[in-house]
Amino acid sequence: DADVTQTPRNRITKTGKRIMLECSQTKGHDRMYWYRQDPGLGLRLIYYSFDVKDINKGEISDGYSVSRQAQAKFSLSLESAIPNQTALYFCATSGGSMPYNEQFFGPGTRLTVL
Amino acid sequence: DQQVKQNSPSLSVQEGRISILNCDYTNSMFDYFLWYKKYPAEGPTFLISISSIKDKNEDGRFTVFLNKSAKHLSLHIVPSQPGDSAVYFCAARNYNNNDMRFGAGTRLTVKP
Repeated sequence: DADVTQTPRNRITKTGKRIMLECSQTKGHDRMYWYRQDPGLGLRLIYYSFDVKDINKGEISDGYSVSRQAQAKFSLSLESAIPNQTALYFCATSGGSMPYNEQFFGPGTRLTVL
Repeated sequence: DQQVKQNSPSLSVQEGRISILNCDYTNSMFDYFLWYKKYPAEGPTFLISISSIKDKNEDGRFTVFLNKSAKHLSLHIVPSQPGDSAVYFCAARNYNNNDMRFGAGTRLTVKP
């Protein structure tokens, strides 16, 4: 079984709809992250959480919110989706003493906003 | 602002030869650098990393070189194998503000 899972894997929605992307991990890591990938831009950090009570904005948090329901679960929400949020979204986790050490990524969620 | 740049979108090499992937950065506060490999329909997987206090780190066929004065790092793969064909992302961490930046990626194709 995969250590980091994301649901759904693909989603097509319309402008203005609320969308939630979910991430679960079985690695026992405290740190979890959400990234988006766009062609030509690589991965950009949206939000990160270093433990259940810790939530921090990343490079591009506008238009997104997150919830850390438990150590193993970190959800990303788009309250009112817009077309330029069409992208590939990755959840990641990391452990150890330092943030952003080796990160373990989920398989990604491809989101299309029409 | 792209603080981590991979200026070559693609690279093609022959099996058995060396692959050299390059990465440049602009922020002198980055203290830790990583390379990730990504296959289609999968998430990135960690490959190798280097701390800013070192100039070289080696792991099997993979070696990362860091030139702090030039703000440049490179990943060498020797010998290259067809299974190395993937997109390679360079990443850099700024420990002071927990910032993490990725480059746009380089697609490596290793031809048999």
